[in-house]
Amino acid sequence: TQLLEQSPQFLSIQEGENLTVYCNSSSVFSSLQWYRQEPGEGPVLLVTVVTGGEVKKLKRLTFQFGDARKDSSLHITAAQPGDTGLYLCAGTEGAQKLVFGQGTRLTINP
Amino acid sequence: KAGVTQTPRYLIKTRGQQVTLSCSPISGHRSVSWYQQTPGQGLQFLFEYFSETQRNKGNFPGRFSGRQFSNSRSEMNVSTLELGDSALYLCASSVAGTGYGNTIYFGEGSWLTVV
Repeated sequence: TQLLEQSPQFLSIQEGENLTVYCNSSSVFSSLQWYRQEPGEGPVLLVTVVTGGEVKKLKRLTFQFGDARKDSSLHITAAQPGDTGLYLCAGTEGAQKLVFGQGTRLTINP
Repeated sequence: KAGVTQTPRYLIKTRGQQVTLSCSPISGHRSVSWYQQTPGQGLQFLFEYFSETQRNKGNFPGRFSGRQFSNSRSEMNVSTLELGDSALYLCASSVAGTGYGNTIYFGEGSWLTVV
């Protein structure tokens, strides 16, 4: 069974600070996705990474896929209150089902 | 275009009852997948349907079942409800399925409370 572990589970920081969220597994994934979920809504896809070592940027968010395709990180620069939410990583191996991490609940305080 | 629509949004059921949740995918999407989200277990895959056929199934008891119709709309059913079935049930649709890093689009979910 493929498992994804996210850390930290909870993170509360001040506006303007930087942060990194980690997503780790002992399994290899052919692709990994990051989602953000806000209260009362379903998760929304932020990015998909498919190549080991791949780095993608989305404004102040930087996503990295590990070289061995077993881990990923999400780095947010100069966090803003609008970044508050539940961040989920999810991986898949080929045509297999999508496996989600437990999520990181991020709170950015003004 | 319209997003993924789930109904009902909120419902309360009694232990032992059964419930049916509905999901209308984005037009043109043939894959519908279902997930259960709870604070303790996080987001867990229930099953995926593609063109009316179940393509993948998660590790849930047989009380959880689903189906997909020819218009790609999907329903999931939970029979003999237990307190632990209280959760947010999310449906997602995609063109080709959940594998291979395909983009999937989630609905807002159906909040089920079992009392």
